[in-house]
Amino acid sequence: DTAVSQTPKYLVTQMGNDKSIKCEQNLGHDTMYWYKQDSKKFLKIMFSYNNKELIINETVPNRFSPKSPDKAHLNLHINSLELGDSAVYFCASSQVIGGEEAFFGQGTRLTVV
Amino acid sequence: LAKTTQPISMDSYEGQEVNITCSHNNIATNDYITWYQQFPSQGPRFIIQGYKTKVTNEVASLFIPADRKSSTLSLPRVSLSDTAVYYCLANSGSARQLTFGSGTQLTVLP
Repeated sequence: DTAVSQTPKYLVTQMGNDKSIKCEQNLGHDTMYWYKQDSKKFLKIMFSYNNKELIINETVPNRFSPKSPDKAHLNLHINSLELGDSAVYFCASSQVIGGEEAFFGQGTRLTVV
Repeated sequence: LAKTTQPISMDSYEGQEVNITCSHNNIATNDYITWYQQFPSQGPRFIIQGYKTKVTNEVASLFIPADRKSSTLSLPRVSLSDTAVYYCLANSGSARQLTFGSGTQLTVLP
């Protein structure tokens, strides 16, 4: 039983396309996050959701739109993909927002060509 | 958000104890110190969290001095499988996110 699962694990697409990454957690957590890890391994917060409500949007282009249909899911939709969007995207969840142990998914490696 | 500073990389040999120190000079009163481990092609994994003094679990120990401006993650008797990036975080629930620094690449050699 995977606690936080993301699909797909790999995604290769052309510039200008629209793609989605799905995330589900079965831990009963109230908070979910999206992080981006670039080629230099820096992990940067993109979004935080608490009880389906957007809490943080960290200077992310509006081409990125998170969607939380329920507390267990936080999907990431990306419009008009650019080369610079190539990175590994991690979904995570925690029981309490910010200060508690967070559980991360395996990541989605997005390559834009 | 407290900024953390760690060594970029460290090498060790199997069976040795490894200590990774993290500086967080402007840590806030309600910040906790948390360490994560990340293997290649995987998401970060929680190792340990503490507020002050010493915390120990089955994986590691965390030492935090009284001024809390630094902390040390101690890994006893490392093995090759402990090769990973280790991130130190200083954060609180009021920040509503986890802020990762640059991490320390630990390489365990045979």
